[in-house]
Amino acid sequence: QVQLQESGPGLVKPSGTLSLNCVVSGDSIISSNWWNWVRQPPGKGLEWIGEIYHGGNIYYNPSLKSRVTILVDKSQNQVSLTLTSVTAADTAVYYCARDHDYGDSTWAFDIWGQGTMVTVSS
Amino acid sequence: EIVLTQSPGTLSLSPGERATLSCRASQSVDSKCLVWYQQKPGQAPRLLIYGASSRATGIPDRFTGSGSGTDFTLTISRLEPEDCAVYYCQHYRSSLWAFGQGTKVEIK
Repeated sequence: QVQLQESGPGLVKPSGTLSLNCVVSGDSIISSNWWNWVRQPPGKGLEWIGEIYHGGNIYYNPSLKSRVTILVDKSQNQVSLTLTSVTAADTAVYYCARDHDYGDSTWAFDIWGQGTMVTVSS
Repeated sequence: EIVLTQSPGTLSLSPGERATLSCRASQSVDSKCLVWYQQKPGQAPRLLIYGASSRATGIPDRFTGSGSGTDFTLTISRLEPEDCAVYYCQHYRSSLWAFGQGTKVEIK
């Protein structure tokens, strides 16, 4: 059974850096899947942040690209998210999700972590 | 950039009724790249439909995805109380993903 577990500080100061980890269990980070971060501000919809493949390919949401870094740690079987220069607008539940290949160029986020709430406030 | 617009914003129906949720793309998209999720309050999203019409593992057959080009539909044939949730469509192109704004389904 594949599980994803996010962790990190629940409170970050404005202009600071948000850093989160997502530990993957039941699957290898170097499998054929991609690994994503998605966020959801309180009471609002889902926003895709970016995704990474263990081989080094990374894609970011253009609206966040200048502030986001996603990395894979193969030794810890985890993926990390770093978001710099945060403001109150970055307050959200942050999810990691597995992007699974169903074949014939068909992909979808089939496994999600429970999410972790991050508040940006002084 | 392709924008997905979901309608209606909120759907209020009785148990047993049929729910029809729309997802309209600003440009034609490949059906392989269209996905639907269900999100219940306080929970992470759950994959319902991938490739526009294929049900994910464990999803009841009352959930049906259809459509092509710019117009896609999620149909819940017989609403049950546990279907109360927000439903999101999602697509990808050129390795970039995007979500629609969601449709809230309320059960009367």
